[in-house]
Parts: sequence; structure tokens; C-alpha cells
Amino acid sequence: SQKIEQNSEALNIQEGKTATLTCNYTNYSPAYLQWYRQDPGRGPVFLLLIRENEKEKRKERLKVTFDTTLKQSLFHITASQPADSATYLCALGSSGTYKYIFGTGTRLKVLA
Amino acid sequence: DVKVTQSSRYLVKRTGEKVFLECVQDMDHENMFWYRQDPGLGLRLIYFSYDVKMKEKGDIPEGYSVSREKKERFSLILESASTNQTSMYLCASTPSRASGTRETQYFGPGTRLLVL
Repeated sequence: SQKIEQNSEALNIQEGKTATLTCNYTNYSPAYLQWYRQDPGRGPVFLLLIRENEKEKRKERLKVTFDTTLKQSLFHITASQPADSATYLCALGSSGTYKYIFGTGTRLKVLA
Repeated sequence: DVKVTQSSRYLVKRTGEKVFLECVQDMDHENMFWYRQDPGLGLRLIYFSYDVKMKEKGDIPEGYSVSREKKERFSLILESASTNQTSMYLCASTPSRASGTRETQYFGPGTRLLVL
């Protein structure tokens, strides 16, 4: 069955460092992959989308890579700040369907 | 700015009650979704709708129904609430394909439902 795996353990890093989160998937051929941020008690907020034919995407301090051979995406936050502390979700989608598959998320805590 | 609103942030209901969760989006989006989110399980799709009066089952539709009478409004109905439906319920919408950004999901703030 289709499966997305994100590190369920919380990631603690020091302010100013680069945070790297991982999203692995199996039994799926996504047309695109998305990353969302979710704060406690809130709905997810879209951050970035990367398509299957793209290797890397950047937006300000955020960078996403997508390796369809490894079936993996890496999400980087450079110069991290305490305000970046949140849970980050990855989601996969494919063309021809409205459905998305979400990972369970990784909780990031940036320590001041 | 896209806005997706949900009728309640917190709800407490009794087992067997009929529960209505409402979602409204103000950006003329065609596609709307209902998810539930539980610890360790992530977001699971309950139902989605791609047009008025059109709906399709998601991965966990049992015990739920939906209604979409107007484009901007998508309702989730728990016909007879049970304790295992205690969860965070999230509504989302996406633009139409023609806009070129169909894939981005815009989520509401969520409704935390407790069934006693």
C-alpha cells in the first residue's frame, strides 16, 4: 500500500543552524510533493510545492529537494529561528486525482 | 487572501447525537475536502467534493456523510456520533484546474470534536 514516512521523533536544533527534515515514500509515483507547516491547534499552511521533474525548489530560507529514484524529499530551513518551531507535513499528489496522501509530520523545535 | 472558515473551533457532543461541521471558503474554489487528524495517523481523507452536489468517498467515509449545496460551503455530518470519532477535523479547498495552482490546499483552522 502507499506509504509516506516522516521522522516521528521531534527534531531539536540550535537557532541559526540548518534544519533538515525527511520525507520518504513507497508504492507511489507522485506528480508533485508539497510541504506544509502546522502550528498546534491550527490547520496546515502550504509552504512549497515541487514537481516530479524538478530537483530543487527554494523560497526565502526554505529549500526542498525531490529525488524520485530514492523516493525521498528533503526540506531545509536555513538560519533557523525559534519562530520556525512547528510541525512540518509532507504530502504527495498525482495528476488525474484530487486525492493527496499526507505524512504524519515531524515536529521541529528551534532552541534560542 | 484565501480564507477557509469552520463553524466551530471546539465541540463537545454526546454519543448518538447528530453532528454538523460546516466549512466555508471565500475564493470560489471548486474542490473541497474533509480530513480528520489523529496523533500518529496523520491526515486522513473522509470525503471530497469537486463541484456543487458532487462528492466522492475518501479513505475513511464510514460513519460520515457530506453535503455541498452551494459552491462555497461543504458540510460534514456525523449521523450518530461515536467516541471513536473524537478527533481534529480539518476542511480544505483547492482552486480549479484552470488557475494553474490546483494543487495547493488551503486549510481551515480545524474543529476539535470530543464525543462523550
